[in-house]
Amino acid sequence: QQQVRQSSQSLTVWEGETAILNCSYENSAFDYFPWYQQFPGEGPALLIAIRSVSDKKEDGRFTIFFNKREKNLSLHIKDSQPGDSATYFCAARRAGNTGKLIFGLGTTLQVQP
Amino acid sequence: GGIITQTPKFLIGQEGQKLTLKCQQNFNHDTMYWYRQDSGKGLRLIYYSITENDLQKGDLSEGYDASREKKSSFSLTVTSAQKNEMAVFLCASSITGSNTEVFFGKGTRLTVV
Repeated sequence: QQQVRQSSQSLTVWEGETAILNCSYENSAFDYFPWYQQFPGEGPALLIAIRSVSDKKEDGRFTIFFNKREKNLSLHIKDSQPGDSATYFCAARRAGNTGKLIFGLGTTLQVQP
Repeated sequence: GGIITQTPKFLIGQEGQKLTLKCQQNFNHDTMYWYRQDSGKGLRLIYYSITENDLQKGDLSEGYDASREKKSSFSLTVTSAQKNEMAVFLCASSITGSNTEVFFGKGTRLTVV
């Protein structure tokens, strides 16, 4: 069973809109949630991450909203740009479980100019 | 900064063949990982290693061997390539710790004919 679920396989938005990518998880022991961005032919790269003690993390145009009670989180990309077109992976890690990230299946975002 | 180098970039194998993928990192990270990425299936952990000569199984270790020859290198062996198998194998590394960033290489794309 998928421990980390991303609700959409693909998402298309227009340039300038806010893209919202949703993620949910099963295991309440997860306490660290990074989002990775992957362009074709490249490895995933860390975009932004949040710990379960926080409910929001912002970095420029990228914001994570986290709901521990509901076991879900979302990545908001404000003022989307065509250069944001990529696949985004939500991931999770258990406390003390060094490095062992569990990934969702990814959401491919297309930003139309 | 550092870099993770994976060789080869593309690997074509025959059914039943034993194939070895190599990974080098110059971050001086303790922990290294091998993930498999299939289209539509996200990233799945095959093996990881928290120090030289250490080896820990991930969720997908069957059919693979791994070797951490020294701190900077981690190799993965496909023990018997499966016909029509196609996947990208991603090597990654991080410092040891629960909230540390995991850095990825660009991947080795495997095709089995």
